[in-house]
Formats: sequence, C-alpha cells, structure tokens
Amino acid sequence: EPEVTQTPSHQVTQMGQEVILRCVPISNHLYFYWYRQILGQKVEFLVSFYNNEISEKSEIFDDQFSVERPDGSNFTLKIRSTKLEDSAMYFCASTPLPNYGYTFGSGTRLTVV
Amino acid sequence: EDKVVQSPLSLVVHEGDTVTLNCSYEVTNFRSLLWYKQEKKAPTFLFMLTSSGIEKKSGRLSSILDKKELFSILNITATQTGDSAIYLCAVPRGSTLGRLYFGRGTQLTVWP
Repeated sequence: EPEVTQTPSHQVTQMGQEVILRCVPISNHLYFYWYRQILGQKVEFLVSFYNNEISEKSEIFDDQFSVERPDGSNFTLKIRSTKLEDSAMYFCASTPLPNYGYTFGSGTRLTVV
Repeated sequence: EDKVVQSPLSLVVHEGDTVTLNCSYEVTNFRSLLWYKQEKKAPTFLFMLTSSGIEKKSGRLSSILDKKELFSILNITATQTGDSAIYLCAVPRGSTLGRLYFGRGTQLTVWP
C-alpha cells in the first residue's frame, strides 16, 4: 500500500538552529499538509499546499516556518530559528482530493534543546 | 469557533468487551467526519462519514454519523489488546482545502 514517508524520524537540535523536515507524499496525491502534535495535546494544522503554493496556513505558521516542493516528489517544512516550544511530533499528510481521507506519514519527532 | 470534542478521554477495558467512543462537532460548512487510530506514531485512517444514519463497518469496528445532533460514534466489539491506541475524530473545515480539526482523542487501553 502506498505510504507517505518522512525523514528523519527523530531530530534533536539546539535552540536557534534551522531544521528541515522532509516528506515524500504519495505520488498521485495533489494536496499536501503539515500538522504537529505537542506531547499530550491535539493534532494541530500548520499549513496546506496545493498547485505549488500555500493554500492555507494557521496562526502557528509564522515567519519562522516555510514549506517547499523543490522537485516532483519531496515536500519540506523548514523552521528557520527553532524555539523550545517547537518541540513536537510533525506529521506530513497527503490526499488526492480535499476533504478526503488523508494518509499521514509516521512523523518526525523534533526536540529542541 | 469550530470545535471537535471527544469523550471519554480515556477508557480501560478487558479483552472481549465492547466499547463506544463519542465525537461531537460544531463546524461550519460540514462535509464529512473522519476517524483515525493512532498507535505509536502516525494516525491511520479508519472511516470517513458523510451521510447521517449510514453505518460504516470494517471487521469489528463500525461507525455512524448523526448530522442532526452533530455527533458520531465509533464502536469496537470483542476488543483485543491490539485495539489499544488513541482514537482520533477529525472534521475538515469545509470552506478550505481540507484543513482538519482534531479532537483530543480517546485513549483506549485493552487489558488481556
């Protein structure tokens, strides 16, 4: 069964450093998303991406965050200057149609120290 | 503000028991409701419900939606230890390209 692949599975970084989280969505999917889950809290929407541009972003997705689809397969989330409160599990998801059942990746656990 | 509320927050049962998990929602431009199972990491898709009163079934799991009362239930019969997980309810915000609002989840623990 097709999968959404995320790398790395776990990243530890120092406060203030830049991190790039990588995702390979399912190949025929057109809509891509990043979500995060702080330990013990709800899964929260960060950003949606369609047709090579951001279609929506949440209030969490400030100027420190950016997304890119640098080639036909990868979808990346960059955090420019990490803060302690960015520590969370970050999930990538994709879907062929909006409001359809997403497929989530297995997540990247980001720990900012 | 759009809301998705799940209950109970946690549930401990023994193998063989039947459980019912609840999800109520208040979302503008409702189109569908999704259930996910989250074990160690990624939420895995269980059901998408769009119509009231039509039960979706997959093995021992079933789910139904009530659009009048704005809730859904997820039933698991003859529970097994492998059903232990967090069950998440999510509702897409209909006016945008699929942004999901999640509930806090129900942590289900099934003891042998």
